[in-house]
Amino acid sequence: EAGVAQSPRYKIIEKRQSVAFWCNPISGHATLYWYQQILGQGPKLLIQFQNNGVVDDSQLPKDRFSAERLKGVDSTLKIQPAKLEDSAVYLCASSAGEALNYGYTFGSGTRLTVV
Amino acid sequence: DQQVKQNSPSLSVQEGRISILNCDYTNSMFDYFLWYKKYPAEGPTFLISISSIKDKNEDGRFTVFLNKSAKHLSLHIVPSQPGDSAVYFCAASAYQGGKLIFGQGTELSVKP
Repeated sequence: EAGVAQSPRYKIIEKRQSVAFWCNPISGHATLYWYQQILGQGPKLLIQFQNNGVVDDSQLPKDRFSAERLKGVDSTLKIQPAKLEDSAVYLCASSAGEALNYGYTFGSGTRLTVV
Repeated sequence: DQQVKQNSPSLSVQEGRISILNCDYTNSMFDYFLWYKKYPAEGPTFLISISSIKDKNEDGRFTVFLNKSAKHLSLHIVPSQPGDSAVYFCAASAYQGGKLIFGQGTELSVKP
């Protein structure tokens, strides 16, 4: 089974610019998550989708971050405008629902550097 | 407010010996706990999980112990191998399928 695909792998932008990340989950996985991992910290959930509906976006900075999951498959996460503190690895994960038995499957992430 | 804490940023163990990674949590609503392993430039990989109705779960060389009264869990790796060198994260959730709260991670180094 193909894994969770993310692109790009790396991105460097200047502060106040905008950036978008793309995620393609494992086929058939209804639940999709975006996590932010700042260096030296554990991943932090930004947003959780169930099919194309939002389940939890309580920790998403909505003044600058947005995410969508059209047709319940691929998802994009956008930051506009970026700040220096947004430098992190952005991880996408998906699950079929039995997440706590088998765990989420994470993609390799997108490393964002804001300069 | 760090609800899941891994107080040891790093651990070094000799090959063949036991590795013990520890994790503490503060939220008594957590009912599910997982361990993830992460190599550089890769996403975290699920390792093993345990629900609060159990106090132990084994999978090959990996065993997770849960002490609910102490709000503490640990991951034992026996015997440790150089390929186990990675960052290990513990994570907790209040319900199955819920969002995971991760600890800060412990970097394990297994020396030949």
